[in-house]
Amino acid sequence: AQKITQTQPGMFVQEKEAVTLDCTYDTSDPSYGLFWYKQPSSGEMIFLIYQGSYDQQNATEGRYSLNFQKARKSANLVISASQLGDSAMYFCAMRRANAGKSTFGDGTTLTVKP
Amino acid sequence: DTGVSQDPRHKITKRGQNVTFRCDPISEHNRLYWYRQTLGQGPEFLTYFQNEAQLEKSRLLSDRFSAERPKGSFSTLEIQRTEQGDSAMYLCASSSYYRGMYTEAFFGQGTRLTVV
Repeated sequence: AQKITQTQPGMFVQEKEAVTLDCTYDTSDPSYGLFWYKQPSSGEMIFLIYQGSYDQQNATEGRYSLNFQKARKSANLVISASQLGDSAMYFCAMRRANAGKSTFGDGTTLTVKP
Repeated sequence: DTGVSQDPRHKITKRGQNVTFRCDPISEHNRLYWYRQTLGQGPEFLTYFQNEAQLEKSRLLSDRFSAERPKGSFSTLEIQRTEQGDSAMYLCASSSYYRGMYTEAFFGQGTRLTVV
């Protein structure tokens, strides 16, 4: 079974600073994908970034980067130059390569202070 | 086509009543997923379809829950004899093939169910 652990229930960051949101995962499958989503108070899940288990380089999408450490089974999200609009809940998720479902963590609430 | 659409956005029902939710995925996506999310938790997988075939169902999906995707387009999720424990946000997502795997890259805004 897959498991995602997000150990930070809440995080605060000053506007324009960088912040790292932690995610560790557990799986015995060799091929899988890791994802991060943002969920603002409006409720919609917004896909941010994807990392494949065989990808050699860390994924980046604009101000988002994924710090993938396969041996440690961690997939931390780094948000650079935080903006007030980044305040939201952030979820880490994982899916096996040929599976139908994704497994989500319990999320981290990020608050960006002006 | 602007994204995944869910209807209604909010539903309040009395315990014991039946409710049905609808999801319209992005038109070219052949996979459609349903998740349930309770307050303070991450989404939990309920079921998914590839075209009109329901390929996987979670153990969370009790006999009171049924989902359909006739003709492989929109999907409905029905809950019969609702219970207070069914109160949650019901999320729908659709996906296309992305960098070697399907992924729920596109979620709807959800249907918030409150059972009173």
